[in-house]
Amino acid sequence: QVQLQESGPGLVKPSETLSLTCTVSGGSVNNGDCYWSWIRQPPGKELEWIGYVYYSGSTNYNPSLKSRLSMSVDTSKNQFSLKLTSVTAADTAVYYCARLRLDRDDFDYWGPGILVTVSS
Amino acid sequence: QSALTQPASVSGSPGQSITISCIGTSSDVGHYNLVSWYQHHPGKAPKLLIYEVIKRPSGLSSRFSGSKSGNTASLTISGLQAEDEADYFCCSYARTNSWVFGGGTTLTVL
Repeated sequence: QVQLQESGPGLVKPSETLSLTCTVSGGSVNNGDCYWSWIRQPPGKELEWIGYVYYSGSTNYNPSLKSRLSMSVDTSKNQFSLKLTSVTAADTAVYYCARLRLDRDDFDYWGPGILVTVSS
Repeated sequence: QSALTQPASVSGSPGQSITISCIGTSSDVGHYNLVSWYQHHPGKAPKLLIYEVIKRPSGLSSRFSGSKSGNTASLTISGLQAEDEADYFCCSYARTNSWVFGGGTTLTVL
């Protein structure tokens, strides 16, 4: 059973960089059958797809966040990461990592999510 | 990319059936048979229920079923049980290699 777990600071100051890591267990990030994704949900709003990273390091980002985003994968640690720069209060959300199936375009495994608050 | 539209809440009694709708557009739900549904108990990891509109992951109860007509996808839960009380959200692949989600529906089992 594949399990994902987000980790990182729960509080980030405005204009700083939000950094999160997702640790994968029960499976390998070095898997060509899926994309490793990030999704977020601001308080009271719908879920928003942020982007994904492939095991090779190639990425695809939500155009609305692209200029501030970077994602990477660390196969040696079986982890993948998200960095979002120049954050504002609008970036306050529960952030989820998830596995996106290449062949079906659905997210078959998710982490429980981590609340990140942007505040001074 | 606009979010998919779901009712904020639905309710039903044990043993009954309920249906949750997910309204999209011709750019997402109406264009692709790539709608998925998820169950989310707060504080836990969301769980995949349905993918490619109608398919269930291996081992998932047949009480959960999906369908689609035009720009509207639906999730039906039959034989409601207390443990079905949760949030449910839909997702669709959209043009330009992106994904869009519904706002979520809270199911209350009376």
